[in-house]
Amino acid sequence: DAKTTQPTSMDCAEGRAANLPCNHSTISGNEYVYWYRQIHSQGPQYIIHGLKNNETNEMASLIITEDRKSSTLILPHATLRDTAVYYCIVRVANSGGYQKVTFGTGTKLQVIP
Amino acid sequence: DSGVTQTPKHLITATGQRVTLRCSPRSGDLSVYWYQQSLDQGLQFLIQYYNGEERAKGNILERFSAQQFPDLHSELNLSSLELGDSALYFCASSAEMNTGELFFGEGSRLTVL
Repeated sequence: DAKTTQPTSMDCAEGRAANLPCNHSTISGNEYVYWYRQIHSQGPQYIIHGLKNNETNEMASLIITEDRKSSTLILPHATLRDTAVYYCIVRVANSGGYQKVTFGTGTKLQVIP
Repeated sequence: DSGVTQTPKHLITATGQRVTLRCSPRSGDLSVYWYQQSLDQGLQFLIQYYNGEERAKGNILERFSAQQFPDLHSELNLSSLELGDSALYFCASSAEMNTGELFFGEGSRLTVL
């Protein structure tokens, strides 16, 4: 799986958009970008994933650059409950269940009142 | 609620002892993953099973072992416990045919005294 690079920490004002960047310059053509978050000591939670097109769901939007070497997770209106560690990972699409999923150190997002 | 159940939630034991952590995946999910998260550390991938067979191995110590049973539940066995084994142990599951978002349980917190 390709390596990802994320800032260690970020702050965001409550109600504003939180933009979390991720660099994955060695991503290969069959690797998806996934985002998870982990609220203190809870199990990580899947947020969103994408291949090359931008994606949006009820939680967030994912913007992937045209060259796919970086992406940004956008939380449109951050709340205090969005304070968490956000992990960006890349992984190969389903290959019969052989999926080793490796998490990096992530970005610690602090939403400030 | 992710649908992944882990037991016990908390476990306190002494050095040298052996414990078993249990995971029930989401209904229908064939893949089970185990992760270790020590205090203020990232998620360390331990091992993955798919439909009863080991598929990927991470930094799992020889003192640790796991298996996935025919009913798809999984157990992680930790033996000859050391103080450094104190951590949160997460189980996750994923379905076979999707692009692989993982659903995590709430973890088992192991304290070795």
